[in-house]
Amino acid sequence: GDSVTQMEGPVTLSEEAFLTINCTYTATGYPSLFWYVQYPGEGLQLLLKATKADDKGSNKGFEATYRKETTSFHLEKGSVQVSDSAVYFCALRGNNRLAFGKGNQVVVIP
Amino acid sequence: NAGVTQTPKFQVLKTGQSMTLQCAQDMNHNSMYWYRQDPGMGLRLIYYSASEGTTDKGEVPNGYNVSRLNKREFSLRLESAAPSQTSVYFCASSEGWASYEQYFGPGTRLTVT
Repeated sequence: GDSVTQMEGPVTLSEEAFLTINCTYTATGYPSLFWYVQYPGEGLQLLLKATKADDKGSNKGFEATYRKETTSFHLEKGSVQVSDSAVYFCALRGNNRLAFGKGNQVVVIP
Repeated sequence: NAGVTQTPKFQVLKTGQSMTLQCAQDMNHNSMYWYRQDPGMGLRLIYYSASEGTTDKGEVPNGYNVSRLNKREFSLRLESAAPSQTSVYFCASSEGWASYEQYFGPGTRLTVT
């Protein structure tokens, strides 16, 4: 079935550092891909999306490019802030339902 | 608009007790969902309702039941709680079953002792 794999473990980095969170997927057909963010004590919010190959989703300084050849949708931000501390989930929607990765906790230190 | 609201925010149950988690949305969405979130497991779909009057099982439906009371409300019931159901439960909604974006509530943290 459709699935999403995110890199293991939390990510801790200093303010203004470059952030990358890896996401790869397995799906039949042509899924839509998403990044959701969960701030402490809150539900998930859609951060960005891409619906076809080579699309780039962007929002709040975050970007991710839908790479069909590598089945990837890595999340990047050039200069993180303390307010970016959250859990980030990669997700895909194929023919059926939304499938989430396990999430990565990002901690940004001042 | 409040978006998606859930009650209660926190709950502690003893094994064997029952309870109902409530969810309501004010966005006139057709589809609603219940997920559980466990450490290292991401979100797993318990049940969903693609439209008013329909409900279907997700990945992990055992031990749960749902009711789509009307277009706004979608409740999740634990008939006989077990420690394995200790989790954070999220309700979500979307415009339609094929919609890209789901809107999530703030969650209910449930502990079963």
